[in-house]
Amino acid sequence: GAVVSQHPSWVICKSGTSVKIECRSLDFQATTMFWYRQFPKQSLMLMATSNEGSKATYEQGVEKDKFLINHASLTLSTLTVTSAHPEDSSFYICSASYETQYFGPGTRLLVL
Amino acid sequence: AQKVTQAQTEISVVEKEDVTLDCVYETRDTTYYLFWYKQPPSGELVFLIRRNSFDEQNEISGRYSWNFQKSTSSFNFTITASQVVDSAVYFCALSEGGTSYGKLTFGQGTILTVHP
Repeated sequence: GAVVSQHPSWVICKSGTSVKIECRSLDFQATTMFWYRQFPKQSLMLMATSNEGSKATYEQGVEKDKFLINHASLTLSTLTVTSAHPEDSSFYICSASYETQYFGPGTRLLVL
Repeated sequence: AQKVTQAQTEISVVEKEDVTLDCVYETRDTTYYLFWYKQPPSGELVFLIRRNSFDEQNEISGRYSWNFQKSTSSFNFTITASQVVDSAVYFCALSEGGTSYGKLTFGQGTILTVHP
């Protein structure tokens, strides 16, 4: 089956630093990848749609300058949380589209 | 705008009981896809089922079954003879744009706890 990986699986950082999260489709090519955020005991909220070779499309209310998304190849999309603050602490999940959406295992970010 | 409502925030049952998780959706698309995912404490989403809007046939997979009622915009999920391992958060989701790989709108999730 289609497999999507995320790295790192968890990260702790100091406030003000930037954190990069990678999302890879391991055995298929994905023109489109999605980034979701999930706060504790809440649902998944779509942050942005990432298309290979073009700029990401951000959902309303998501700061594009804070959450930088790069989709450099058909198997890799990255999300960079710039100048992270404690309120950015969350569970970030990516998905890659190939006939349906395949989800990565998620990345837990804790900003101190 | 699309919307998915899971009215049951939390459900608690005793092992071997049957349990139904409700899902009601809203969409203007004539073609759409519905999904159910399981999220155990590890956080990883486990795909359970995908159903397109033209296929109203109910589906059974082991102890799991799904009832799709287009007339009431519902896509309910039943676990028969529940087990402790079924304890998790369950999400219903709707894909927009008439494809199964478009962005998903998730319901609020239902926390299911199965007690031994």
